[in-house]
Amino acid sequence: DGGITQSPKYLFRKEGQNVTLSCEQNLNHDAMYWYRQDPGQGLRLIYYSQIVNDFQKGDIAEGYSVSREKKESFPLTVTSAQKNPTAFYLCASSIVQGNQPQHFGDGTRLSIL
Amino acid sequence: RKEVEQDPGPFNVPEGATVAFNCTYSNSASQSFFWYRQDCRKEPKLLMSVYSSGNEDGRFTAQLNRASQYISLLIRDSKLSDSATYLCVVSPGGGATNKLIFGTGTLLAVQP
Repeated sequence: DGGITQSPKYLFRKEGQNVTLSCEQNLNHDAMYWYRQDPGQGLRLIYYSQIVNDFQKGDIAEGYSVSREKKESFPLTVTSAQKNPTAFYLCASSIVQGNQPQHFGDGTRLSIL
Repeated sequence: RKEVEQDPGPFNVPEGATVAFNCTYSNSASQSFFWYRQDCRKEPKLLMSVYSSGNEDGRFTAQLNRASQYISLLIRDSKLSDSATYLCVVSPGGGATNKLIFGTGTLLAVQP
């Protein structure tokens, strides 16, 4: 059953702590993306990657880091430098060519303790 | 001006009604257009792509007007299960990336 899996569904962060959100896909997609969604706002792009071992900053990359060591995996680390991390985080994937739609995982809700 | 603009709603309609949403985009070079549906506290799911010639999928019809830079979604015979937020999504095109720009969504509430 192909799809995108995000874990955990809910995550709590203490002050000064880094946390890592997992995203795994078995759709054989080259491109993967991380978005943040806040109430009343559209999805905002944090980072994206079109190929293994390469990634680019999106519109709101400050306070976040990513890695792309495997095609299937694109973890996102929310660092202590991100002062307002409470949000709904969504991972997506797509094929690279031709302005294709993106397919989403079911998200991770991050809150501050 | 926002790159993609939608009326946030809410649109409150009775079951069986026909409802239409519009969305405008600012980049005239945009190449691809989509409607996504997002249920409360869930991930967005692709509803349909929008083609220049317009396209229909059951009760849903999408139209693109490049001259006026807007996209529309028409839902006929609304069902309670259509209640959700509908996101207008635009691909700005150019380069080799597949970045998408998301509108903030239009909330639809279908009433019994």
